Amino acid sequence: RKEVEQDPGPFNVPEGATVAFNCTYSNSASQSFFWYRQDCRKEPKLLMSVYSSGNEDGRFTAQLNRASQYISLLIRDSKLSDSATYLCVVGLRTARQLTFGSGTQLTVLP
Amino acid sequence: DADVTQTPRNRITKTGKRIMLECSQTKGHDRMYWYRQDPGLGLRLIYYSFDVKDINKGEISDGYSVSRQAQAKFSLSLESAIPNQTALYFCATSASTSGGDEQFFGPGTRLTVL
Repeated sequence: RKEVEQDPGPFNVPEGATVAFNCTYSNSASQSFFWYRQDCRKEPKLLMSVYSSGNEDGRFTAQLNRASQYISLLIRDSKLSDSATYLCVVGLRTARQLTFGSGTQLTVLP
Repeated sequence: DADVTQTPRNRITKTGKRIMLECSQTKGHDRMYWYRQDPGLGLRLIYYSFDVKDINKGEISDGYSVSRQAQAKFSLSLESAIPNQTALYFCATSASTSGGDEQFFGPGTRLTVL
């Protein structure tokens, strides 16, 4: 079983749609959680951290469910510029490393 | 100017050749990482360094070595390249003062081993 699992997609949605991505992680001791965005052939960039209470940044909402070991990312009012691969990332401080999911590909269509 | 730079950006080489990929950063971060990315597998950690005297193996270190020449420089070597090392390689940095969680990536090096 992979440490961090994501639905690879692709998700093809029309502009203005709401889309949700899910991610599960296997290590219950994980302490830090993030969503990164990666454009085609570019480097990953931090989109947002994920906090236990859930957090929102504009059109993006991230949630964490520790009991189910599940992270989600909701994108409202999708824009063409949201087209990218979204990476779920989990950290374990004692291991001093981050573990990356393989990513979910999103294409927003005009 | 980019905060994390990688050279070369693209490299084609032959099996058995020695290759060095270089990473430099101007962010003043103490932690540096090397990852490789393959289609469908996501980013996998090769080596990481938390300061100049601290080098650690990651998930897939076999066939690779690293050198932390200074706080700002971290190089990755393939002593004898093989075709399954064809991948996109990323260097990343983070700051221990911020908990070290957010990582900043370089633009990547696309390596092809024939």
